[in-house]
Formats: sequence, structure tokens, C-alpha cells
Amino acid sequence: GDSVTQTEGQVTVSESKSLIINCTYSATSIAYPNLFWYVRYPGEGLQLLLKVITAGQKGSSRGFEATYNKETTSFHLQKASVQESDSAVYYCALSDPPSGSWQLIFGSGTQLTVMP
Amino acid sequence: GPKVLQIPSHQIIDMGQMVTLNCDPVSNHLYFYWYKQILGQQMEFLVNFYNGKVMEKSKLFKDQFSVERPDGSYFTLKIQPTALEDSAVYFCASSLGTGSYAEQFFGPGTRLTVL
Repeated sequence: GDSVTQTEGQVTVSESKSLIINCTYSATSIAYPNLFWYVRYPGEGLQLLLKVITAGQKGSSRGFEATYNKETTSFHLQKASVQESDSAVYYCALSDPPSGSWQLIFGSGTQLTVMP
Repeated sequence: GPKVLQIPSHQIIDMGQMVTLNCDPVSNHLYFYWYKQILGQQMEFLVNFYNGKVMEKSKLFKDQFSVERPDGSYFTLKIQPTALEDSAVYFCASSLGTGSYAEQFFGPGTRLTVL
């Protein structure tokens, strides 16, 4: 079945430094899955950060970017300069509409801590 | 932005009892979802619901689980009877549609502890 892998459970970065959170996926449908990054700030519900539904395209939001790479089946999240307010848990996810399902399949999440 | 509310935020019950988790979805949304996250594990899909019917469910959606949204009120997840392995955080979500552009909006979760 479909799956999403985030290898880092926790990442600590100093403020103004760059960030990359890794995400790889496996999808069983012939067509391309839709890919997402969600974020959960402390005490809040999960929020969509960005999404990309076309292979080769890049999504961006709030200074974060992720490129849909079909060759490496990756969708890494990057930011050039993080801020303390970016501290949160980040989840990579996919949906696989061609399989007939609209459920989201999540990775295990990466806790980002930005040090002042 | 649009908000999904969940009531209660925490629930503690004894094994074998019934529990109902309540979700107040975004007002004009038509599709509703429940996800389950056991501590330290991934968030996993349970069920989605549209027009009064379960559209899709996972193997985690046991026979003891049921969902409904009577008369456009809360979207509820009922577990009867509960088991120890039902202890988890349950997240509700809603969306306007199911196309590639239909974003799922999530609530903050209900932490269920079954003793």
C-alpha cells in the first residue's frame, strides 16, 4: 500500500539557519499522488502548509518550499532561514486519488525546534 | 481561517463503556473524516463520511465504531464498547469536496484514555 517516510523524528536548528526535513513516499497508483506538508503548532490543530499535485512542481508557503520529485519519490521541506516561530511538528502526507481514495496518509512527523 | 472544533479535548473512561467524540466541522463543508494517532505512532485514517453515508473506511474502523451526523449537527465517532487499544488521540477533519484542490481542515484532537 501507499506510505510516507520521515526519517528524522526531531530536528534542532538555530534561528536564521537553513532547514531541510526529509520525506519520501511510496504510492501504488499508476498516476502521481498528491503531496502535502502539514504543520501542527503547539496547542493547535493540523494546518496545511503547502501542497503539490503535479510531479516536477514546487509548492511554497511562509518561506517554506517543497519540490515534487517523482524520480527520487521525495518531497523534502526546505527553508532558507528559520525563525523561532517555526517551531512545530511537520507532517508529510499523500493522497492517492487514482486509487479511489481521498484519505490522507501521513508520515510519522518531525518535531522542529528553532533555538534563539 | 476556517476552524474545526472537537469536544471534549480529553476523555477518560473505563474499558467496556461507550464513548462519543464530537466534532463541529467547518460550516459549509460536506465531507468528514476521522483519524487516529496512538502515542508515538503515525496518524492513521479511520473513515470518511458524506451525505449520511460512510464512503471509505480503513481496517482500523472496527465493528465497535460508528459515525453519524444527525441533522447537520456534530459529526460524531462512537465507540461501543471501548477497548484498551482504543486509547489514542482522535482527529476530526472536514473538507468542501474531494478533488485535488479540496483541503482537509483538522481539529485539535480529542485525547481518549481507556482504563
